[in-house]
Amino acid sequence: EVQLVESGGGLVQPGGSLRLSCAASGFTFSGYAMHWVRQAPGKGLEYVSAISSNGGSPYYANSVKGRFTVSRDNSKNILYLQMGSLRPDDTAVYYCARDPNPGGQYRLYYFDYWGQGTLVTVSS
Amino acid sequence: DIQMTQSPSSLSAFVGDRVTITCRASQSISSYLNWYQQKPGKAPSLLIYAASSLQSGVPSRFSGSGSGTDFTLTISSLQPEDFATYYCQQSYSTPITFGQGTRLEIK
Repeated sequence: EVQLVESGGGLVQPGGSLRLSCAASGFTFSGYAMHWVRQAPGKGLEYVSAISSNGGSPYYANSVKGRFTVSRDNSKNILYLQMGSLRPDDTAVYYCARDPNPGGQYRLYYFDYWGQGTLVTVSS
Repeated sequence: DIQMTQSPSSLSAFVGDRVTITCRASQSISSYLNWYQQKPGKAPSLLIYAASSLQSGVPSRFSGSGSGTDFTLTISSLQPEDFATYYCQQSYSTPITFGQGTRLEIK
């Protein structure tokens, strides 16, 4: 069974940093591109970031470019999102999600499995 | 950026009704359109990909159609577990964008 479990969320002050993790199991993690999607409280879904199966070709939405860094450790089956210079409008539930292409290098940019999400609150 | 607009934003219906949700893209996206269902407090789940392909495990009462700029999600006979929020998403080009959501409520 495919499982994605996020962790690392919490309350952080504006300007602060936080690292989110997404532990994957039930599939060959190193064979799939991965994504981050967020959802502000009571709002819709916003695409954040992607990374290829080998850790290359990171992609960022303009809203987080230069502040967030996506990475992965295929030996540990973990996806990361390092968030810096956090702002109140970064407050959201952050989901990791799997790209369905088993090849991993070419991203389909839709999401067949999602984690349960981790809440990040940016507030003083 | 490609804008995705769903209509209606909310909808009330009875169990057993046939329901259609529309999604319009601001430019042609071929068939690179996906639909998700989200229940309160839960992560989204994939229903339809590539406009009309049913994701494995999704009931056949869900169907999708369309290409270019206009797409529809149809639920042929609403079940109690279908009351949720539905989102369309384009995967044609980055930045990836979602519709604003359609909240489906019990009448």
